[in-house]
Order: sequence, then C-alpha cells, then structure tokens
Amino acid sequence: KQEVTQIPAALSVPEGENLVLNCSFTDSAIYNLQWFRQDPGKGLTSLLLIQSSQREQTSGRLNASLDKSSGRSTLYIAASQPGDSATYLCAVRVSGDYKLSFGAGTTVTVRA
Amino acid sequence: KAGVTQTPRYLIKTRGQQVTLSCSPISGHRSVSWYQQTPGQGLQFLFEYFSETQRNKGNFPGRFSGRQFSNSRSEMNVSTLELGDSALYLCASSLAGTVGYEQYFGPGTRLTVT
Repeated sequence: KQEVTQIPAALSVPEGENLVLNCSFTDSAIYNLQWFRQDPGKGLTSLLLIQSSQREQTSGRLNASLDKSSGRSTLYIAASQPGDSATYLCAVRVSGDYKLSFGAGTTVTVRA
Repeated sequence: KAGVTQTPRYLIKTRGQQVTLSCSPISGHRSVSWYQQTPGQGLQFLFEYFSETQRNKGNFPGRFSGRQFSNSRSEMNVSTLELGDSALYLCASSLAGTVGYEQYFGPGTRLTVT
C-alpha cells in the first residue's frame, strides 16, 4: 500500500522567503506525482504534474523535483507572497492504478 | 473551457437518510474519480469510472456507490447516512483512460450529517 508523507505539517515564513515543501512515498513504482494547492473549504488546484520519467517540472515561481529511487519529491516556491498561503498536497499514482494516494498536506502561511 | 462542476455545493442531511451528489467533468474528459476529505483521514479514494465502467474502488462500505452516464457525468450515492459521513466530497476528471493524465478537481460538495 502506497504511503505518502509530507513534512512539515505547517510552515510560516515572511514574505519574500523561498518555500521548500517535502513529500515522500513508500512505493517507488509510481506512474506520476502531482502537486496541488487547496484554499480553505475549496477544491484542489493542480500546480504541477511530474511523470515518472521526469526529474523536474517548472511553472513560473514553482519548481518540483522528483527522485523516484529515493521516494521523494520537493516543491520549491520562489519569493513567496501572502497569496501563496494555502495547504499544499502531493499525490502519487502507482503504475497500473487509477487512484491518487495523497499526503496529509503542508499548510503554509506567508506573513506580509 | 469550463472546469469540473459539482452539485449541490452544500448539503445537510439527517442520519439514516440517503444522498446523491453529482459531478460534471471537463468537456472531453472521460475519466471521473471521487474522493472523500475529512480532517481526520485526509483525502481518501472512493471510486473511478471510465466510459461508464467502474475501474477501481476504495475501501469504503457498500453504502457508497456511484455510476457514470454516457455523457461522462457521474453521480455518487450514500445510503443510510452516518455522522462519520460528514465530509467534503471531491470529484476529479482527466482527459483519457490512461493513468498518466493530469487530474482536475471540482470545488466539492460539503455534506453535513446531523
């Protein structure tokens, strides 16, 4: 059974600081990994999708890396802004499966 | 292009009742998945449908069921509601039947059971 862990559970940083969010998974036979953002009481917004054959993906201030062999992914958010305050979730899809296994999320607060 | 839509957005039901939630995927998306989100258990997979066929089911009791229609719209039903069924129910769609495609989530239906 795929277990996904996100550390830390919560993070508070001053505006302008870079954010580093970690995700680890137990089964390295993944098909892809997806990072999401969730605002309180809302649905999930997809940020980045990394296929198992990729090492990283970038979108604007966001960069996600994937190390399948060690079961880790890291989401970097450069020059954080108060609008980045949200919960960030990582989810992995195991090869041949149709479901996403989610971590518990990291709740980020960016202080103005 | 319109995103994933879910109706209703909020629902209050009493223990023992049943409820039906609806999900309309992004146009052209044929795969629809359902997830339950609670503070204690996080996001848990319920089931996934593709071309009206359930391809995968999570570890939920038989009170939870779903279906998909020929236009890819999906419904999930929960019978004999329990207090523990209070949760945010999220629907996600993806482009095709292969496992590699990006998942897009709707805003969710907030179900409160009293």
